[in-house]
Amino acid sequence: DTEVTQTPKHLVMGMTNKKSLKCEQHMGHRAMYWYKQKAKKPPELMFVYSYEKLSINESVPSRFSPECPNSSLLNLHLHALQPEDSALYLCASSQDVQGSGNTIYFGEGSWLTVV
Amino acid sequence: SQQGEEDPQALSIQEGENATMNCSYKTSINNLQWYRQNSGRGLVHLILIRSNEREKHSGRLRVTLDTSKKSSSLLITASRAADTASYFCATSRNTDKLIFGTGTRLQVFP
Repeated sequence: DTEVTQTPKHLVMGMTNKKSLKCEQHMGHRAMYWYKQKAKKPPELMFVYSYEKLSINESVPSRFSPECPNSSLLNLHLHALQPEDSALYLCASSQDVQGSGNTIYFGEGSWLTVV
Repeated sequence: SQQGEEDPQALSIQEGENATMNCSYKTSINNLQWYRQNSGRGLVHLILIRSNEREKHSGRLRVTLDTSKKSSSLLITASRAADTASYFCATSRNTDKLIFGTGTRLQVFP
């Protein structure tokens, strides 16, 4: 069983809505990630947080806004999304971003549908 | 952009047979990891192999890495219906920016 918990599992939102995806881990990991995965495609990195600071933003549109309130929590705030943003959003964590060989643990994902 | 290309894209075998999936990547790496994803679920970490290693085993899994050819293979021995899933290789260089390959969809028939 994954130790990265994501809520909600499913979310349907309109293009004018504001919603948030939440992620939590209690493994003491200091790096957390958001990935986006479209059907039958590999996950694509969106954001990396290291020690609660944003370290990587893969040129993600500003309608996606990440937030790391503390070392255990990671949110993804959604506003004015487009139907093409519908996808599986995966949260992940690892012990640290430094060095090689840090296993990254994934949550079960949040299925987002934008209507 | 994607770092790895995997082949085959899809593989169908009978229970008890071995399944081999291959991953090729383009630039130098620090390590390569393999993940499994059941349909519509999260990714499960299977095994990590560092750039200075050539082979690793974990249960029925055997992973090889050839850095001169920039390729890796995942072998699942004595496959089971429960092994049906998509398998992704993922590489990283100096940070934990993990880049996934295109994936292989494995179907194991009982």
